[in-house]
Amino acid sequence: DQQVKQNSPSLSVQEGRISILNCDYTNSMFDYFLWYKKYPAEGPTFLISISSIKDKNEDGRFTVFLNKSAKHLSLHIVPSQPGDSAVYFCAASSNFGNEKLTFGTGTRLTIIP
Amino acid sequence: ETGVTQTPRHLVMGMTNKKSLKCEQHLGHNAMYWYKQSAKKPLELMFVYSLEERVENNSVPSRFSPECPNSSHLFLHLHTLQPEDSALYLCASSRTRGGIAADTQYFGPGTRLTVL
Repeated sequence: DQQVKQNSPSLSVQEGRISILNCDYTNSMFDYFLWYKKYPAEGPTFLISISSIKDKNEDGRFTVFLNKSAKHLSLHIVPSQPGDSAVYFCAASSNFGNEKLTFGTGTRLTIIP
Repeated sequence: ETGVTQTPRHLVMGMTNKKSLKCEQHLGHNAMYWYKQSAKKPLELMFVYSLEERVENNSVPSRFSPECPNSSHLFLHLHTLQPEDSALYLCASSRTRGGIAADTQYFGPGTRLTVL
């Protein structure tokens, strides 16, 4: 049973518009959440994270929102750029740690020029 | 060379072969990880090493045998694998193991393994 779910396998967004990627989790022990981005033939690279003591974290064009009551987080990218086309993985862990990450299956984002 | 490197990038092996995957990190990190990513499945943590000591074995079959001779190198020895073991194997490293939210895991590019 998947504890971290990314229900949209793919998403296409026009360049310059907002991209919203969603992630749901079931384990209430998760308290630290991360987004990774993966280009073809490369390993995932860390993008942004949020701990459960916050409901929003922003880094440049990237903002992650956490709704603990709904066990839902989302990644907003604005404005979207062609270089943002990649697979995005949501991950979660407990004890505010980075070790045992539980990943979602990923969402492939395509930015249309 | 910088970051996390993995060799080989692609490997095809028969079920009776013995092969090894190699991971090297040039970041001065103390923790290293092996992950498996099968088709249409999430990344699954296999092993965690901290300061060359295995601290986690995530119920991985014994046909996968990790080795960490020093904090910069991590191997995954493969023996009598099954076709269902075909997957992308990713190595990662972090400054320390767990407990500190800022210690991001840095991933290598992976080894694409096909077991015939």
